[in-house]
Amino acid sequence: GESVGLHLPTLSVQEGDNSIINCAYSNSASDYFIWYKQESGKGPQFIIDIRSNMDKRQGQRVTVLLNKTVKHLSLQIAATQPGDSAVYFCAENKAGTALIFGKGTTLSVSS
Amino acid sequence: GAGVSQSPSNKVTEKGKDVELRCDPISGHTALYWYRQSLGQGLEFLIYFQGNSAPDKSGLPSDRFSAERTGGSVSTLTIQRTQQEDSAVYLCASSSQGADYGYTFGSGTRLTVV
Repeated sequence: GESVGLHLPTLSVQEGDNSIINCAYSNSASDYFIWYKQESGKGPQFIIDIRSNMDKRQGQRVTVLLNKTVKHLSLQIAATQPGDSAVYFCAENKAGTALIFGKGTTLSVSS
Repeated sequence: GAGVSQSPSNKVTEKGKDVELRCDPISGHTALYWYRQSLGQGLEFLIYFQGNSAPDKSGLPSDRFSAERTGGSVSTLTIQRTQQEDSAVYLCASSSQGADYGYTFGSGTRLTVV
C-alpha cells in the first residue's frame, strides 16, 4: 500500500545547530502534508503544514519544504533547543481521507 | 476542557476481555479520528467520523474492533475479546475542517493486554 516514510529513525544534534528531518512520500495524489511533534507520554502536536500548491512554508523557527518532483518533504528547525527533543512524524493526506503517518524520527538535542 | 480528552489514560486487561476507550473531542469539531500507536511505531489509522456521514472504517484491523460516535460528539472505541497484539496506545484526534486540516490529538489510552 501507499505510505509515508522517513529517511532516518534518529537524529542527534548539538544545541544551537539547525536540524533537518526528511520524509519521502509515495502517493502523488496527496495534496496536504503535516509535521507533528510527539513528546514522551503525549499525543502528537501540530507543528506546521503545507499544501501541494506550495513548495515552502515558514513558521516560528521551523520551515517545511515540499519537492513534488521527487516526493520529498523536509522539516528544518533553526537553532535547535533541548526542548525540541521529541519524535517527529510527517503525515500526508488526499482529499476526503484520514492522514497517513510515517514511522517517525527521534530528534535528540544535546547541550 | 479546551483539548481532546481520552479516558482511561491507562488500561490493563486480561486476554479475552472486552474494553471500551472513550474520547471527548473539542467542542464543535465535526471530525473525529482514532489511531493506534504500537511501541516505537508510527500512527496506524483505525476509523474516521465526519459529521453525520457514514464513518470510514477502512483501518479497523479486525471485526473485534468497533467504534461509535454519539450525538456527533463523544466517541467510544470497543475492542472485543482482546489479544496481546492489541496492546498499544490508542489516540483520538478531532478537527474542525475535516481531513484536510491539522488534527488536535488527545494524550491517548495505553492499553496493555496480559
